[in-house]
Amino acid sequence: DVKVTQSSRYLVKRTGEKVFLECVQDMDHENMFWYRQDPGLGLRLIYFSYDVKMKEKGDIPEGYSVSREKKERFSLILESASTNQTSMYLCASRASQMIYTFGSGTRLTVV
Amino acid sequence: GESVGLHLPTLSVQEGDNSIINCAYSNSASDYFIWYKQESGKGPQFIIDIRSNMDKRQGQRVTVLLNKTVKHLSLQIAATQPGDSAVYFCADLSGGYQKVTFGTGTKLQVIP
Repeated sequence: DVKVTQSSRYLVKRTGEKVFLECVQDMDHENMFWYRQDPGLGLRLIYFSYDVKMKEKGDIPEGYSVSREKKERFSLILESASTNQTSMYLCASRASQMIYTFGSGTRLTVV
Repeated sequence: GESVGLHLPTLSVQEGDNSIINCAYSNSASDYFIWYKQESGKGPQFIIDIRSNMDKRQGQRVTVLLNKTVKHLSLQIAATQPGDSAVYFCADLSGGYQKVTFGTGTKLQVIP
């Protein structure tokens, strides 16, 4: 089975801190995604990547950046965390098939 | 999937009964659909998928029905069990599967 691992389940950060959320997948998938999930809003795409060193903005990229230096790892960076970035963050990967495989999520609280 | 506002719809079902969870989508060009299950504190897990050239697909205890005329998708769970308690949401894909829209979800509560 494909495994997508997010390094932290819960994080609490202070406003203004730089935050790194790490995601690793073990099935050599080309495509990786970062979503945030908020009540009533569903999954919203922040950034995605189709290949190493390649990144594309999703629907809500403001306040975020990403890094994909290796195929298996896709990092989400909050340059200066703000309280409105308190959310559940989900990483997903996908091969040529359409099915997304998600990690367990990181619940980030910015205080 | 469509946004249903800030409150997650909840479906309460007696253990052993059948559950039907509905999803409306808005993109008439969507041609592939997926149902996900998300248990509390976990990431979404794939349940079943269906392509637009089908109107029904069955899995183990689950059936997905697709009505393209009214852009409606449903997930039927037979003999619902406590382990089925979760949030269920649909996803529709279009544009050569490059565009995906996730629904906001329905919370299924199974009453023992």
